Amino acid sequence: AQSVSQHNHHVILSEAASLELGCNYSYGGTVNLFWYVQYPGQHLQLLLKYFSGDPLVKGIKGFEAEFIKSKFSFNLRKPSVQWSDTAEYFCAVNSRGNTDKLIFGTGTRLQVFP
Amino acid sequence: EAGVAQSPRYKIIEKRQSVAFWCNPISGHATLYWYQQILGQGPKLLIQFQNNGVVDDSQLPKDRFSAERLKGVDSTLKIQPAKLEDSAVYLCASSRQGEQFFGPGTRLTVL
Repeated sequence: AQSVSQHNHHVILSEAASLELGCNYSYGGTVNLFWYVQYPGQHLQLLLKYFSGDPLVKGIKGFEAEFIKSKFSFNLRKPSVQWSDTAEYFCAVNSRGNTDKLIFGTGTRLQVFP
Repeated sequence: EAGVAQSPRYKIIEKRQSVAFWCNPISGHATLYWYQQILGQGPKLLIQFQNNGVVDDSQLPKDRFSAERLKGVDSTLKIQPAKLEDSAVYLCASSRQGEQFFGPGTRLTVL
């Protein structure tokens, strides 16, 4: 069965620090990968996605993620975080050619202090 | 473009009562999903519709949960009777070209 692991449950950073959130998935076939963000009091919104092509994907607000197939990983990065990046971040995966059922990780809560 | 609409935003009920949630997807989106998000966990798919047909309801506790999308547009999710462990946020999403768009959710508290 598909599964997604996010090993960092709670990350605390100061502004301007670099960010990397881990995401590993378990699935034998071809996958699509996503990072969603949920700002306080707001609904889930897509940060970036990988379907195919260049494994380095750039998303909104300066975020990027790299798909490393050999490691089954899709880590999220940002070189310099801002206070406004405080949010919960979810990695998700679905399998290509299937019903586009999304499997989510448990989420990482990011707190950025000024 | 208007987003996914859900109501109510909050609901508090006692165990064994029934409750219903409503979702209106983005116009033109044929696929609609209901997710359950328990505190501290990621969303878990309950049911997926394609137009008014069910595509996947393997994770739906059918003894107490039901959902319908009769005209292939808006949808309702019902819980009857509710249990304490049903306390969660219920998210509705619709999709286009592989990307899912989420509504604000309904936060259910069962006392």
